[in-house]
Amino acid sequence: DAKTTQPPSMDCAEGRAANLPCNHSTISGNEYVYWYRQIHSQGPQYIIHGLKNNETNEMASLIITEDRKSSTLILPHATLRDTAVYYCIVGLNAGKSTFGDGTTLTVKP
Amino acid sequence: KAGVTQTPRYLIKTRGQQVTLSCSPISGHRSVSWYQQTPGQGLQFLFEYFSETQRNKGNFPGRFSGRQFSNSRSEMNVSTLELGDSALYLCASSLVGWTREDEKLFFGSGTQLSVL
Repeated sequence: DAKTTQPPSMDCAEGRAANLPCNHSTISGNEYVYWYRQIHSQGPQYIIHGLKNNETNEMASLIITEDRKSSTLILPHATLRDTAVYYCIVGLNAGKSTFGDGTTLTVKP
Repeated sequence: KAGVTQTPRYLIKTRGQQVTLSCSPISGHRSVSWYQQTPGQGLQFLFEYFSETQRNKGNFPGRFSGRQFSNSRSEMNVSTLELGDSALYLCASSLVGWTREDEKLFFGSGTQLSVL
């Protein structure tokens, strides 16, 4: 599975959009990009995933570049409850993929 | 629809003891995977079960074992506990697991195991 690179930490003001980047330059053509988040001492929570097209659901939007080498998770109106570690993983199947260190997002009032 | 349920939530054991953790997947999900999470090593895959059979296994010693029942509920067992086994143990369920692309995992809240 492809390796991902994420910034270790980011801050965001409450009510503003949080844009979390992820680089996956070695992604294969049939590998998906998955995003999960983990609030302290809880299990990871599925957020969104995509293959080529941009995706949106009730939680977030996923923007994947045309060359698929990077993506951005967008939380449109961040709240304090969105403070968590966000994992970007790439693979054919989430279960086979490696969860790296992720990005610690801190939403500040 | 109920989520993935793990019991117990917290557990304290001493070295040399054994422990059994339980996981009830989302109704209709047939695949259960187990993970160990520690601050230093991150999230590491233990094993995956589907239809009562272990299909995939991570790089853990034989002290770590598991099983899955006909109702898809799963247990994992750790024998002869060591201090380094202290971790958050997570299980995740999915419809059919690793054989299917585009498969999402749903995690439980985990069991926090402390070995003293």
